[in-house]
Parts: sequence; structure tokens; C-alpha cells
Amino acid sequence: DSGVTQTPKHLITATGQRVTLRCSPRSGDLSVYWYQQSLDQGLQFLIQYYNGEERAKGNILERFSAQQFPDLHSELNLSSLELGDSALYFCASSVGSSGGSEQYFGPGTRLTVT
Amino acid sequence: GDSVTQMEGPVTLSEEAFLTINCTYTATGYPSLFWYVQYPGEGLQLLLKATKADDKGSNKGFEATYRKETTSFHLEKGSVQVSDSAVYFCALSRGSGYSTLTFGKGTMLLVSP
Repeated sequence: DSGVTQTPKHLITATGQRVTLRCSPRSGDLSVYWYQQSLDQGLQFLIQYYNGEERAKGNILERFSAQQFPDLHSELNLSSLELGDSALYFCASSVGSSGGSEQYFGPGTRLTVT
Repeated sequence: GDSVTQMEGPVTLSEEAFLTINCTYTATGYPSLFWYVQYPGEGLQLLLKATKADDKGSNKGFEATYRKETTSFHLEKGSVQVSDSAVYFCALSRGSGYSTLTFGKGTMLLVSP
């Protein structure tokens, strides 16, 4: 158990809909990262927050957004969903944001868009 | 941009065989290097890391040495077990305040008794 929790575990929704994925980092971790894992794209970094502020942005679509709240939990919002958005979405957390920071991953949310 | 290349899988071995999974990287500056493992139906777990050239990361019998001259970070284990069957990901973070990870495509390891 990494100490990172994600809800829900599974999500099935239709094209065009909007969903919210939630992540609670390990106690004491200030950084939260979101990654998408799909068969064709592999594991891709989406976005990072550090202590409530956006820190880095990766291959995140404009239809996707995220935020980190004062209690440090984070939400990833996916809107106007398409079939290609079906994937595993992982949240990870780390204490800091330096290059050697160890990231601890949650169990993931499996999103299926039908 | 940064990239990580891993050997294609699956790698199929018998129990107690020697394991090598090759990983090479392209990055500017002095990245930190990681190996993560993903067991079926689970999230990624950090296996080991190295933050500078010639560092050796080790954990649970697995080892990898950060070779800057060959831009490589190959994963090795002297004697694999059935329980090592999983997908292994090599990753880097750029360093200099950047902690986001760039992953390789992953290598599936299958160990038979």
C-alpha cells in the first residue's frame, strides 16, 4: 500500500460526458501528479501540482483540467469524453518537486468510455 | 525532448535464471533514473533509483547502474522468481527542479517454475 488513494476504482460513462477523478496523496506529500496509461500511448504525464499551484504540464488535453485543494487532495476533470479517453489514470505523490523525488503511485482509476 | 527506450517484451525466463532488461535514455542535463514495477491489476511501485552517474540502485535483489557514457540504466537480477512476473518500467526525471517522470513503454517479464 503506497498510501496514495484514488476514487473511484472503475468508471464507465458515455461519450460526451464529464467525470471527476479524485486523489489523496500520502500524508506529508506536497506534490501530486496525474498520469494516463493506455495501450497505444503507454504511460504519459498529464499535470503536476505542488502545494496548490500548478507546477508542470505535460500532454494534457484542453478538455482535461485539474486542481489541488488546500487539504492537498487533487481532482482531475475530464469533459466531452471520447472513446480514446478510455485508459487507466494514475495519481502519484511526492514530498517535494526536485529531480530525484520518489513518486508513490495510487492504484489507479480505470475509465471506460462507451 | 526526453525519452526512454526499453527492450521489447515479453521476456520469458525459468525460475532462478539471470535477468537483464535493457534501458537507454535521451535527456538534457543530469537526469535521475528509476525502475518501477507494475504487478497485474495494481499501480506502479518504485523498485530502485539512481540520481547521478555511476550510482547503483538496488532493492529486493534487483540492481541497476547509472551509466552516463552509454546513457543506460539496465535492470539486472541474479535469480528470478515466479513472483517477479510483472511489467517493468524504466523512467527518468530531468532534474534541476523538474520531478515529472518520462517512462519507457514497459517490459513484461514472465517467469515460469
